[in-house]
This record gives sequence, structure tokens and C-alpha cells, in this order.
Amino acid sequence: DAGVIQSPRHEVTEMGQEVTLRCKPISGHNSLFWYRQTMMRGLELLIYFNNNVPIDDSGMPEDRFSAKMPNASFSTLKIQPSEPRDSAVYFCASSLGRQETQYFGPGTRLLVL
Amino acid sequence: AQTVTQSQPEMSVQEAETVTLSCTYDTSESDYYLFWYKQPPSRQMILVIRQEAYKQQNATENRFSVNFQKAAKSFSLKISDSQLGDAAMYFCARAQGGSEKLVFGKGTKLTVNP
Repeated sequence: DAGVIQSPRHEVTEMGQEVTLRCKPISGHNSLFWYRQTMMRGLELLIYFNNNVPIDDSGMPEDRFSAKMPNASFSTLKIQPSEPRDSAVYFCASSLGRQETQYFGPGTRLLVL
Repeated sequence: AQTVTQSQPEMSVQEAETVTLSCTYDTSESDYYLFWYKQPPSRQMILVIRQEAYKQQNATENRFSVNFQKAAKSFSLKISDSQLGDAAMYFCARAQGGSEKLVFGKGTKLTVNP
């Protein structure tokens, strides 16, 4: 079975540009998570969805970040406008539901110049 | 904020030896789940082992086992017969009861010496 798929794997952009990260969860999984990993703050949950509905977005840093899940097999995380401090590895994960194991994608390494 | 603490930023072990990574957590709940994830240089987050708080028996997965001390809020990972491929960052995480949020520790970097 395919795992969680993320694209792109690497993104380099200039400050002020819009960045869109994409995620395809494992088929049949009901929950989808977006995490950010930095050296300073470690792994942080940004937002998660259950059955395509955003449940908790308290980790989204500010209005420049937005996330959508239009259907069960696709989600996006958008940063507009991007800033150098957004440089990080962004992970998408999915699970079968509450307190089930979360399976992570390979991550997207974002560098904002 | 309810936290997960990994007090060892770095650990090293000789190949074939045993190493234990420490993790403590803060919670006021009785129902929760604990996880150890491994992150090799490829950055992929890989589940190592999970423990349900209501289970008294410690979880094991091949060479990996945990020592779950619920009263002490301690959840250590033991790696037996360490292999070079075990070298990675190891993260302890807790799932909050009533939520799907995972709270992660800062990680322990494990080096395996040949």
C-alpha cells in the first residue's frame, strides 16, 4: 500500500511568494495532520482534519497560513505571503481516527529566501 | 501546557549493545497513548512502538521495548542488540485524550558506533 504522499519534496522560493504544499493521505484514513519541524521549536502540529473537516487549527501561526481538505484524498497547506522564518520541514500525516497511529509522509523541505 | 520531555539530547551505543532512551510526560488524563518515532537522516518519521496507557503490559516490537511507568509518567525506550541502522533521532510523543493531537518531545539523537 502507498503511504502518505507529499509534494513537492523540496521547495525554494523568495520572500513574498505564495507556497502550496500538497498531501495525499493513506486511503481509508479519516484524519489528516499538518506538522512543521524546525530546530528551534521541534515538531509542532499546525492543523488537523477529521472526515475533511478542520478540527483544531490552533497551531496555525498566523493568517498567512491556510489549509484545506476538499476531499478525502487531498489536502493543501498554503503560505501567502511566505517569509524566511517559514523555512522548515512540513510533514503531513494520516490516521484511522482518534488515538490511532499517525503515519507520516516524507516531508517537504521549504526554504524561503 | 502539557509537555513531553526527553532529557537526553544525545546518546551513543556500541553496536550489539543495549541502550535506553528516556521520556517523561505531563498529563492529568487517565486515557492516553504514547509513541516512539524514529527519524533517520532521510527525515522520514517512522513509528517504532506504541503503548496504550490502560495496558499494564509493556509493549515490545522485536528489539524494541518500552518501560512504561504510569504513576511516574515515564515511558523509556530500550533498544537491544543495537544495529548501525538504528542511528537516528528518536521522538517520544503522547496523544491527548479526547483529541487526536500528538505532542512531541524535542528528540534524542542516537549514534551507533561500530
